[in-house]
Amino acid sequence: DAGVIQSPRHEVTEMGQEVTLRCKPISGHDYLFWYRQTMMRGLELLIYFNNNVPIDDSGMPEDRFSAKMPNASFSTLKIQPSEPRDSAVYFCASRAGTGGTGELFFGEGSRLTVL
Amino acid sequence: GESVGLHLPTLSVQEGDNSIINCAYSNSASDYFIWYKQESGKGPQFIIDIRSNMDKRQGQRVTVLLNKTVKHLSLQIAATQPGDSAVYFCAENRDYGQNFVFGPGTRLSVLP
Repeated sequence: DAGVIQSPRHEVTEMGQEVTLRCKPISGHDYLFWYRQTMMRGLELLIYFNNNVPIDDSGMPEDRFSAKMPNASFSTLKIQPSEPRDSAVYFCASRAGTGGTGELFFGEGSRLTVL
Repeated sequence: GESVGLHLPTLSVQEGDNSIINCAYSNSASDYFIWYKQESGKGPQFIIDIRSNMDKRQGQRVTVLLNKTVKHLSLQIAATQPGDSAVYFCAENRDYGQNFVFGPGTRLSVLP
């Protein structure tokens, strides 16, 4: 299996621009998570999906952030408009259902820089 | 591709020595714990996990110890190698819930 695939790996944009991050989870995994990692706050859960349905988005910082999962093999995290404080590494992770070991499998991350 | 910043606790060990990385978790109801390793520019990678009905679990060169009384988790790495240099995170989870809460991380530096 190719693992969790994220794109782009790096994104540099200007304040006010729309940013879309993409994720392909591991095939067969029922859960998909979006995390954000910063120096100050470490790894924070933004939102997670179960069988393509958003379950908990309480970690999404504000209305500028939105996430979708139109099918089992694709998810997006969108920031519109972007701000410099959104600069971070965004990770997508997936895991199997309760029959699995429970571990999260992370992608390589998307490093976002908002100027 | 640094994952975390300058204020991370750092553990420096000589190559070949054993390393012990500690983690205090917050929720006494947490019943599943994972240690992750994150190398520069990469996503966290699973190392080992342990459930709350155990107090010790061993893997290849790694051992995780769980002390529920004081809510403490440790990761022991035997014969530390240069490839072990990374940031290590503990993560806690409750009732197979989906919100894994990650600790701040510890940077392990292996000295030649």
